[in-house]
Amino acid sequence: GEDVEQSLFLSVREGDSSVINCTYTDSSSTYLYWYKQEPGAGLQLLTYIFSNMDMKQDQRLTVLLNKKDKHLSLRIADTQTGDSAIYFCAESKGDSSYKLIFGSGTRLLVRP
Amino acid sequence: SQTIHQWPATLVQPVGSPLSLECTVEGTSNPNLYWYRQAAGRGLQLLFYSVGIGQISSEVPQNLSASRPQDRQFILSSKKLLLSDSGFYLCAWLDRGLYEQYFGPGTRLTVT
Repeated sequence: GEDVEQSLFLSVREGDSSVINCTYTDSSSTYLYWYKQEPGAGLQLLTYIFSNMDMKQDQRLTVLLNKKDKHLSLRIADTQTGDSAIYFCAESKGDSSYKLIFGSGTRLLVRP
Repeated sequence: SQTIHQWPATLVQPVGSPLSLECTVEGTSNPNLYWYRQAAGRGLQLLFYSVGIGQISSEVPQNLSASRPQDRQFILSSKKLLLSDSGFYLCAWLDRGLYEQYFGPGTRLTVT
């Protein structure tokens, strides 16, 4: 079946690293995504990883994929107050629909 | 560059009234298009997707419908709104070459 799970809330201090975790159940998922949503706004694509990769780094963002455990994580280095938002994990099978199955989102609060 | 527009930004409608939300994409051709709904404090649920003009796939049984009258136009409709239709409606398009899905700014619908 299709199910993506995330913890609901994470609080960190400014300057620390944040790690947001996600688990998925569909082993046929081809692409895994991280989106950011600020209050009242649409979703901003942060990064994504192809299922044959273990890690992807993009500036302050590091994505780790453990395909055996179906576990995905997003690490934000040197977290800033502007990083406070809801972060969504999503999976896609990469079929012709490329539809995304989303987790319920993790609210990240960055304390000054 | 590509841009996605949604309107209106906010809408308050009484129960039983009709609905029409519009989404247009600029700067690309033949994109996959998607309608998602986000209930308050929750993740996104895929409602409809389209891989081409006139081709609509429905993911969730409901009183909503979608149409794609032009290549870059996607419309979400209802003949009679229910209270449960309240939510944040997001349109998205897919860059097939990069497997990246981009979201519009959303329409916040309140059914009273």
